[in-house]
Amino acid sequence: DAGVTQSPTHLIKTRGQQVTLRCSPKSGHDTVSWYQQALGQGPQFIFQYYEEEERQRGNFPDRFSGHQFPNYSSELNVNALWLGDSALYLCASSLVDRGRDGYTFGSGTRLTVV
Amino acid sequence: GQNIDQPTEMTATEGAIVQINCTYQTSGFNGLFWYQQHAGEAPTFLSYNVLDGLEEKGRFSSFLSRSKGYSYLLLKELQMKDSASYLCAVGNTNAGKSTFGDGTTLTVKP
Repeated sequence: DAGVTQSPTHLIKTRGQQVTLRCSPKSGHDTVSWYQQALGQGPQFIFQYYEEEERQRGNFPDRFSGHQFPNYSSELNVNALWLGDSALYLCASSLVDRGRDGYTFGSGTRLTVV
Repeated sequence: GQNIDQPTEMTATEGAIVQINCTYQTSGFNGLFWYQQHAGEAPTFLSYNVLDGLEEKGRFSSFLSRSKGYSYLLLKELQMKDSASYLCAVGNTNAGKSTFGDGTTLTVKP
């Protein structure tokens, strides 16, 4: 049973550029959440997608946008990259009506902005 | 707003018991989660509490007191592989956003 798959695993971008990160949820899961984790800190909620709609959003600027496709996979887009966007980006999948099962996380995309 | 506090670091000896505390102030509480995160890896789900009391799962147990805004994770018979960061997270709505603490780095020594 495949878990959560994220690509790419590592990425280096220049300030001002745009980036797209991809996520395939665990088989059977219908909800995808994206988190940003800076070094030494806990994951910070960016947004969550369910039924191809943004269901909830954290305190992130509009430069952060996303999409969910009919097969439940998801993309995270970040425009006009800042140095401060350098972090580990985690995709987490879950079932909308099984909150008690928690998230299944992918291994993350390590983004470095130079 | 959300505020979750947990100790930054803890050290314990192999074979011992350790308790990692978490206090929270939140609105829209819908359960408390514990995750384990080894260095350079993704967090993995350990436990979920939504009612007061203790939930036991093998060597790991988790406790919740909603009136006190308090939870702890209890690890028994510590093994070297338990060295990791332990993240406390509060669920805000059903299967919705979870707010994470900054994690407690546990080092298990021989």
